[in-house]
Amino acid sequence: GNSVTQMEGPVTLSEEAFLTINCTYTATGYPSLFWYVQYPGEGLQLLLKATKADDKGSNKGFEATYRKETTSFHLEKGSVQVSDSAVYFCALINQGGKLIFGQGTELSVKP
Amino acid sequence: DTGVSQNPRHKITKRGQNVTFRCDPISEHNRLYWYRQTLGQGPEFLTYFQNEAQLEKSRLLSDRFSAERPKGSFSTLEIQRTEQGDSAMYLCASSVDGSFSPGYEQYFGPGTRLTVT
Repeated sequence: GNSVTQMEGPVTLSEEAFLTINCTYTATGYPSLFWYVQYPGEGLQLLLKATKADDKGSNKGFEATYRKETTSFHLEKGSVQVSDSAVYFCALINQGGKLIFGQGTELSVKP
Repeated sequence: DTGVSQNPRHKITKRGQNVTFRCDPISEHNRLYWYRQTLGQGPEFLTYFQNEAQLEKSRLLSDRFSAERPKGSFSTLEIQRTEQGDSAMYLCASSVDGSFSPGYEQYFGPGTRLTVT
């Protein structure tokens, strides 16, 4: 079946530190991959996506590359800000259109 | 358009009561999805509609749960005889038809938080 595994949180970083949140997936075929973000008290928002192997999604300084050989889609940012504090969800869509999410990784950035 | 809206935002009910939630999708979106999110977990798929047709239901959707989307516009999710285990955030999302391009974005509403006492 299809599944997504994320690194466990919480992740606590100082402002301007480098961020990596690991995400690996299991899927048949060629899924599309997504990172969603949930800020405190707000709904889920799409952060970035990649629809085929070797695609790089990017937005707001965050990047993730679709690696088919390692079935991974790790999220990175070179310099985090306090405003990046949120819960980050890795997800995939395979056939049918439903999103399959990882368990989420909470990020806390301290000034 | 202001995005996906859900009502109510919060609902507290006693075990055994019935509850109904409403979702209004983005107007030009023909797909509508329901997910459930419990504390510390990612959202889990419940069901989805293409226009008024319910195309898939998760095994999580027991026979106490029913969803409708009359006329292909808003959708309702009803839970009958609520149990404490139903306490969760119920999320609605909408998208354009993703049949031929699964990368289409799903836009999420703010959710309805259900507490069963």
